[in-house]
Amino acid sequence: SQTIHQWPATLVQPVGSPLSLECTVEGTSNPNLYWYRQAAGRGLQLLFYSVGIGQISSEVPQNLSASRPQDRQFILSSKKLLLSDSGFYLCAWRLGGGREETQYFGPGTRLLVL
Amino acid sequence: QQQVKQSPQSLIVQKGGISIINCAYENTAFDYFPWYQQFPGKGPALLIAIRPDVSEKKEGRFTISFNKSAKQFSLHIMDSQPGDSATYFCAASMLPGNQFYFGTGTSLTVIP
Repeated sequence: SQTIHQWPATLVQPVGSPLSLECTVEGTSNPNLYWYRQAAGRGLQLLFYSVGIGQISSEVPQNLSASRPQDRQFILSSKKLLLSDSGFYLCAWRLGGGREETQYFGPGTRLLVL
Repeated sequence: QQQVKQSPQSLIVQKGGISIINCAYENTAFDYFPWYQQFPGKGPALLIAIRPDVSEKKEGRFTISFNKSAKQFSLHIMDSQPGDSATYFCAASMLPGNQFYFGTGTSLTVIP
């Protein structure tokens, strides 16, 4: 069966510091991978998605970036965090190639920028 | 532009009552409509989903009603329980495709 991991679970960072959040998927190959941000009490904002190694699509302009160095690894980064970057970051996966309908979410990382 | 519009934003229901959450979409190319349930501090989990070739799908106490002509779909939770208190998101996607389009979420509170 497939499993998705995210770490860390919680992170408190000062404004201007760098960020690196990691997501890995087990039990599947060539998945589509997604990063979402959820502000407190709000909906899901798609930040990035990837259909393969090195292929990143960005949905919104921001000071965040994403990378996919391996097939089942997706990393969200920032060089300098802003207060507005606080939120709940969710990684998700979906079988690639249009073979599967459902998108599955990881447990999330709660980021607080002070 | 919000591709999927969800209402209400919040809902309070008595235990044993029926909870109803509605969603509407514009893009007729959408062909997959899932509902996700999210508890505080957790990632959303797939609850139930429907394709547009059927008008209703039921799984236990959860039912999706789908109206293709009106471009609307809804989630009905029968015999609502306090354990159902969570945020519910509707979504839409198309195959083949890469993106899901989510509603803004409904916070459901079931009062004992």
